[in-house]
Amino acid sequence: QVTLEESGPVLVKPTETLTLTCTVSGFSLTNETLGVSWIRQPPGKALEWLAHIFSPDGKYYRPSLGSRLTISKDASKSQVVLTMTNMNPVDAGTYYCARILSGGSGGYLDLWGRGTLVNVSS
Amino acid sequence: DIQMTQSPSTLFASVGDRVSITCRASQSIESWLAWYQQKPGKAPKLLIYEASNLDSGVPSRFSGSKFGTEFTLTISSLQPDDFATYYCQQYNSYSDLTFGGGTRVEIK
Repeated sequence: QVTLEESGPVLVKPTETLTLTCTVSGFSLTNETLGVSWIRQPPGKALEWLAHIFSPDGKYYRPSLGSRLTISKDASKSQVVLTMTNMNPVDAGTYYCARILSGGSGGYLDLWGRGTLVNVSS
Repeated sequence: DIQMTQSPSTLFASVGDRVSITCRASQSIESWLAWYQQKPGKAPKLLIYEASNLDSGVPSRFSGSKFGTEFTLTISSLQPDDFATYYCQQYNSYSDLTFGGGTRVEIK
């Protein structure tokens, strides 16, 4: 059974760095036909893609946030980590990780974690 | 960046109705479009990929179509479990993945 599970802090302070971990099971992070993406959703708003990572070394970031984001993986632990620097209250919302399957020059998200809610407040 | 314009933002319908949701891409994305269903407090669920391919286990009342840069999700006979928010997502490029603004399907 394929699962993804997000973990991380519920609350971060403005200007702090957010670190989120996605732990996967049922598939390998060394598989070159798929990857893991991070997507967020502010309360009551639409989904917003943040980043994804593929094997062996493909990393892609949302252009408007690229300088604040870093994605990495530890295949031996089946974990993908996303860090976002300089957190702001507008960054609050639910953060999801999802498995991305390759399609054409991009990919679609076939399985999602339950999400983790992040608040940003002093 | 490719923009996805989804309409309507809210749709009121009754059980048994045929409903359609549209997404228009700002440029050609070939057939690289997916549709997701999201219920309150839950993660999105993949319904359709590559414009018209049903994901495994998705009921056949859901279908997807494409005409140029306009994509449509159709539910042939709305069921109680289908009241939810639906999103389209283009995947023409790994470095530019965008979602539509969402369509909430509510009970009339």
